Amino acid sequence: QSALTQPASVSGSPGQSITISCTGTSSDVGGYNYVSWYQQHPGKAPKLMIYEVSNRPSGVSNRFSGSKSGNTASLTISGLQAEDEADYYCSSYTSSSTHVFGGGTKLTVL
Amino acid sequence: QVTLRESGPALVKPTQTLTLTCTFSGFSLSTSGMCVSWIRQPPGKALEWLALIDWDDDKYYSTSLKTRLTISKDTSKNQVVLTMTNMDPVDTATYYCARKLVVTDAFDIWGQGTMVTVSS
Repeated sequence: QSALTQPASVSGSPGQSITISCTGTSSDVGGYNYVSWYQQHPGKAPKLMIYEVSNRPSGVSNRFSGSKSGNTASLTISGLQAEDEADYYCSSYTSSSTHVFGGGTKLTVL
Repeated sequence: QVTLRESGPALVKPTQTLTLTCTFSGFSLSTSGMCVSWIRQPPGKALEWLALIDWDDDKYYSTSLKTRLTISKDTSKNQVVLTMTNMDPVDTATYYCARKLVVTDAFDIWGQGTMVTVSS
């Protein structure tokens, strides 16, 4: 199972919006609405930010939103804040009943 | 409050077998829809999914690592154990356990992780 494809890095200024893409295949991202997104600050465990493509867990800011089109899922963060600077990973369920993560995207808030 | 905590050796030698334990609280792995997964992260690299066990004792493994992995649970102790055979320096990583709910198919609660170094 190959890792999902994410851009290595994205950046934005405070208050701006950014979008991180996550590209897979019809056997994972495109085949199921089971895409989730995780935020990871340095030295910390990942934190669930989005599940089932576009749902936010309780306590996650509504500045975070998710979507999917075909084999590509996206995470959008609006109103960027300094605290959003972190690594972001997407994950998908697969047709093999396994899970796969993306390569991760480093978000820099300028 | 749901918590998970990983434990195991910090250092293993090449070719040895690694045994990691995930001790959790706040939920039962005998409850329908509950799962626990293992995920690892080499230093400076991406997350990699390893294995999952569900409430019905069904087990799922990474395709590339399945010959080396075994996952099991002890419901009475609220523990999930992962063994990985034939350890190699490339297996050096932080190993996390995380809860997954079938209803959301997401890893909603993670342990703090345990760093394992493979070196002679």
